[in-house]
Amino acid sequence: NAGVTQTPKFQVLKTGQSMTLQCAQDMNHNSMYWYRQDPGMGLRLIYYSASEGTTDKGEVPNGYNVSRLNKREFSLRLESAAPSQTSVYFCASSENRDRYSPLHFGNGTRLTVT
Amino acid sequence: GEDVEQSLFLSVREGDSSVINCTYTDSSSTYLYWYKQEPGAGLQLLTYIFSNMDMKQDQRLTVLLNKKDKHLSLRIADTQTGDSAIYFCAESKGRANYGGSQGNLIFGKGTKLSVKP
Repeated sequence: NAGVTQTPKFQVLKTGQSMTLQCAQDMNHNSMYWYRQDPGMGLRLIYYSASEGTTDKGEVPNGYNVSRLNKREFSLRLESAAPSQTSVYFCASSENRDRYSPLHFGNGTRLTVT
Repeated sequence: GEDVEQSLFLSVREGDSSVINCTYTDSSSTYLYWYKQEPGAGLQLLTYIFSNMDMKQDQRLTVLLNKKDKHLSLRIADTQTGDSAIYFCAESKGRANYGGSQGNLIFGKGTKLSVKP
């Protein structure tokens, strides 16, 4: 049982390049999330998908797009990478019942934009 | 505001107890969570407490909840070097505030626990 799987684990981009971060969960969860983690800033929500077919902006959506491909997969795309997007990106999922619904996290993608 | 507040650093000696504190904002939060992040890894759910409880104990971990003061604490007994990590407090949003720009959970910035041998 893999939980939440993110690929790649590491990536270096040049300014202006594009890339897609992949995320898949095998827990049959309804909701999926993308966070970025920066020193001193904690976790900040970029986008989330409450259920298959829906996506919503989080706190810091600028410069990113997402696709909820199916119930299992939720991808994050950087169309034109900028140095300010150097960060560690975490995907998470939850059942999203309106009660006990903790997030389950992947191990992260460490992205450097030069 | 909507911030969950935690102190950023805590240093203890091996064998001592560690207490990590957190204040939250939404009095209608139903669940409060503690997550642990080890270096180079994602966040792992450590424990949680339901809002109608005052205390929850799980082996070396004790969670205390003071709803009146919106204060949550995590006590780790007999702290070991393997407990060195960043600990995040998180609150679930109340029904009226579900979703929005912060999703369904609001995280603190994390407390880095250092355990000295």
